[in-house]
Amino acid sequence: GESVGLHLPTLSVQEGDNSIINCAYSNSASDYFIWYKQESGKGPQFIIDIRSNMDKRQGQRVTVLLNKTVKHLSLQIAATQPGDSAVYFCAENIGSGYALNFGKGTSLLVTP
Amino acid sequence: EADIYQTPRYLVIGTGKKITLECSQTMGHDKMYWYQQDPGMELHLIHYSYGVNSTEKGDLSSESTVSRIRTEHFPLTLESARPSHTSQYLCASSEPGTGANVLTFGAGSRLTVL
Repeated sequence: GESVGLHLPTLSVQEGDNSIINCAYSNSASDYFIWYKQESGKGPQFIIDIRSNMDKRQGQRVTVLLNKTVKHLSLQIAATQPGDSAVYFCAENIGSGYALNFGKGTSLLVTP
Repeated sequence: EADIYQTPRYLVIGTGKKITLECSQTMGHDKMYWYQQDPGMELHLIHYSYGVNSTEKGDLSSESTVSRIRTEHFPLTLESARPSHTSQYLCASSEPGTGANVLTFGAGSRLTVL
């Protein structure tokens, strides 16, 4: 149904700074994690993924860290740019073949 | 650019109308999904399909129905729309096979029921 208002946590960073977006998950059986970026009026776009047998994975300007002990995932964006302004979601997959479970997003606002 | 298409992008209709949201993908993916997303909120799975003639309900209860007659097509239908159905509906697909499940999303259909 329709929501009353926005419930997203918001992170505001200056252009050029590094951004860190955090995500907690609860299911210890989760074995695969993905970060998605959703710009206004668009569907989510894949950014980077990581399997549970890894604790770090790097892409272009992005790094995902996984701490299975505390069930925590983070997305680091280096040298944040205005085009990085969007809502970021983490998603988890449990086992094989099933759909992704999405967490609450974080709104990233990059200021000049 | 994602090869998954949703129509209409925006729809405003009156209560009681029947609507169908279309979703098509050209990637040959077996798995397809419908998620519902209220503004600023997380995505909730409402339907999924693992192939032709396979449809299942997701975690979030929905009054909508889906069909999968062709691999590339996964329409969602509301027989009698109500204001509580106002939301964004996102279609996605993923590659066949088991294991890691990267979903490719369409741009979404934003539905407003008056």
